[in-house]
Amino acid sequence: GAVVSQHPSRVICKSGTSVKIECRSLDFQATTMFWYRQFPKQSLMLMATSNEGSKATYEQGVEKDKFLINHASLTLSTLTVTSAHPEDSSFYICSAGGLAGSTDTQYFGPGTRLTVL
Amino acid sequence: QKEVEQNSGPLSVPEGAIASLNCTYSDRVSQSFFWYRQYSGKSPELIMSIYSNGDKEDGRFTAQLNKASQYVSLLIRDSQPSDSATYLCAVRGSNYQLIWGAGTKLIIKP
Repeated sequence: GAVVSQHPSRVICKSGTSVKIECRSLDFQATTMFWYRQFPKQSLMLMATSNEGSKATYEQGVEKDKFLINHASLTLSTLTVTSAHPEDSSFYICSAGGLAGSTDTQYFGPGTRLTVL
Repeated sequence: QKEVEQNSGPLSVPEGAIASLNCTYSDRVSQSFFWYRQYSGKSPELIMSIYSNGDKEDGRFTAQLNKASQYVSLLIRDSQPSDSATYLCAVRGSNYQLIWGAGTKLIIKP
C-alpha cells in the first residue's frame, strides 16, 4: 500500500518560535500533497494544496506567510508554522495523492500534534 | 457550494450487528467517493473508494453508491468493538482535493 510518514509526531514549542513539519511519501511519488489541520472534536480542515515544483494553493482564511509550504520533490513536502502562537496548537496532518494508477486517492500521514506554550 | 453531509451521531450498534453509515453530496457531477476511518487522536485511514453505481465489497465492508440519488453509504457487517471510530465520507473535487463530511461517530457496544 501507499505509505506516508510525518515527522515529528509531536512537538511542543514556545510562543514566537517556528516549527517545521515534514511529510514524506515512502513508496510512491506524490504529485500532490495536502495539508490539513484538525482541532479537537472537529472535522478536517484543508489548509493548502501543493504540487511538486510550484507554489502552494492556500484555502481561504489560511495565511500563506504564516504557514509556509515547500514541495521540493515528489516525495517530500514541508509545512513551517512561523511565529507560532497558542492558537496554532492543533493536529496537523498531511496527505499525498496523485499516485499513478490511483489518481485521486489520498493517503494520510500519521499527523503531528503541535502544542504552543 | 459543494457539500457532503453526514449524520454526526453517535450511532450505537450492538456487537455482531450491521452498522450502516450514510452520506449525501451536492455536486451531481462527482465521480469519486471515499470512506475513511479515524480513531480518536489518529489520522484518517482509507477504508474504501467507489466510483460506479452499485455495491463494492471488501471483507466486512460494503460501500454503496447511488449517483441518481447522490447518496453513498458504508455497511459494516459483524461489527466489532474495534470498529468504534469516526467514519468520514469524502467526495473528490478539483485538483485531487477531497470535500469532506463532518464524520459519523460509530460506537459498537459489546
